[in-house]
Amino acid sequence: KAGVTQTPRYLIKTRGQQVTLSCSPISGHRSVSWYQQTPGQGLQFLFEYFSETQRNKGNFPGRFSGRQFSNSRSEMNVSTLELGDSALYLCASSLRSDDIQYFGAGTRLSVL
Amino acid sequence: AQSVTQLDSHVSVSEGTPVLLRCNYSSSYSPSLFWYVQHPNKGLQLLLKYTSAATLVKGINGFEAEFKKSETSFHLTKPSAHMSDAAEYFCVVTGESASGGSYIPTFGRGTSLIVHP
Repeated sequence: KAGVTQTPRYLIKTRGQQVTLSCSPISGHRSVSWYQQTPGQGLQFLFEYFSETQRNKGNFPGRFSGRQFSNSRSEMNVSTLELGDSALYLCASSLRSDDIQYFGAGTRLSVL
Repeated sequence: AQSVTQLDSHVSVSEGTPVLLRCNYSSSYSPSLFWYVQHPNKGLQLLLKYTSAATLVKGINGFEAEFKKSETSFHLTKPSAHMSDAAEYFCVVTGESASGGSYIPTFGRGTSLIVHP
C-alpha cells in the first residue's frame, strides 16, 4: 500500500507570493491533517479535512487555507507569503480523526 | 484545553543503555496518547498508541510506554538503545474538542535522543 505522498518536496518562494502544496493520502483514508513544523514553534496543527469538509482548524491566520477533493487528496494554500512561513509542512492521513496518523515526508518551504 | 509537556529537550545515552523519554499531559477528556519518531528529513512514524486497553503499551523497535493516570504521564522507554534510535521523539495527546465530536492533536515540543557509541 502506498504511503502518504506530498509534492513538491522543496519550494523556494519570495515574500508576497502564494503557494499550493499537495497531499495524497493512503488509499481508503478520509481524514487528512496538515501541520507546520519550525525550530521555534515545533509542530503545530493547521487544519483537518474529512470527506471534503474542514473539521478542525488550528490557530493560524486566514492566509492559510486548504481543501479536500472527493478522492481525499488535499491541497494547502498559503497566500501573501511571509518570511516566517518558512517551515516544513507535513501532511498526515488516517482512517478517523482520533486514529493513528500516517505522515508524509513533508514539503520544505523557504520564503526569501 | 489539552497540553503536552516533554520534560527533556535532549536526552543523551550510550549504546546499549536504557532510554527514558518523559511526557506529561493534561486533558479535560479521556485522551488518546501517542509517541511518534522523526528521523532527519523524514516524516513522523508511529511508535505506539495508548488505547485504554492496557496501561503498558508495546510499540515497534523495542519501545514501550506506561500510561499513569494518577501522574498524568506517558513516559517512553527502551531497555537498550541502538545507534539507529537517534532521532526526534514526539508525545501527542488527542482529545475531543470543547464543541464535541472532533479530535485535535497536540504535540509536545519533542525530545532529541542522542546515542553515543
